[in-house]
Amino acid sequence: QSALTQPRSVSGSPGQSVTISCTGTSSDVGAYNYVSWYQQHSGKAPKVMIYDVTERPSGVPDRFSGSKSDNTASLTISELQAEDEAEYYCCSYRGGDIVLFGGGTKLTVL
Amino acid sequence: QVHLVQSGAEVKKPGASVKVSCKAIGYIFSNFAIHWVRQAPGQSLEWMGWINVGNGNTKYSQNFQGRLTFTRDTSASTVYMDLSSLRFEDTADYYCARYPTSWYDYWGQGALVTVSS
Repeated sequence: QSALTQPRSVSGSPGQSVTISCTGTSSDVGAYNYVSWYQQHSGKAPKVMIYDVTERPSGVPDRFSGSKSDNTASLTISELQAEDEAEYYCCSYRGGDIVLFGGGTKLTVL
Repeated sequence: QVHLVQSGAEVKKPGASVKVSCKAIGYIFSNFAIHWVRQAPGQSLEWMGWINVGNGNTKYSQNFQGRLTFTRDTSASTVYMDLSSLRFEDTADYYCARYPTSWYDYWGQGALVTVSS
C-alpha cells in the first residue's frame, strides 16, 4: 500500500503559523474521517496531536488543529514555539482493516 | 495509568527470527486492539498490522509476505510480534500501539531490532 504524501519539510518563526498537508486518495483520506496526526521528537515514540480529522486529545494545546478537504488533510500549528520542532506524521484508515502513514514532515522552528 | 512496556533490543543474523513482546498495564487488556508499527533508521513510520486482543484475529500488511505473526497471552496481558526470515532492511525500531477505534492513544517505548551478519 502506498504511503500518504506529505511535504518533506516546513519551517516557521516563533509566533507564526504553519500548515502541513497530507494527500491520500478517495480510498483512504477522502473516504473516512479517520485521519490522525503524530508528533515525534528524535529518539522518542510518536505522540498523538489530532485524531478523527479535527479532534484534539486532552493535554494537547489548542494551537494544534486539523482539517480535511477531499483527499487532503491538514495540520495547522499556530503560535509556533521552539518545542514544536519535531517530525510530524499523518495517518489514515484505508478500509479493509488497513492503516496508512504519511512519509513524515520535518518542522523546523527558525 | 496506561503503559505499554516492550522487550529490549535484539541483534539477529539474516534469516533468523525475532520475537518482540508488548505488555499492557493499567487497562482492561481485551478491550483494545494492538497495532504494530516499525521505523527504520531515519525513515518514516510503517504500519505492520494488528491483533484483536479479545478474539486473537489478526490483519497483516501485504509488505511482509507471510513472515509476520501476532499472538497474545491474555493471562499475561501481553502481545507478541514474531518476524521471520530477517533481512538487513528489517533493522528498525518496532513499536506496539493501542488503537481505541481510529487512532493510536498509547505507544510502547519501542524495541530496536538490528539485523547484522
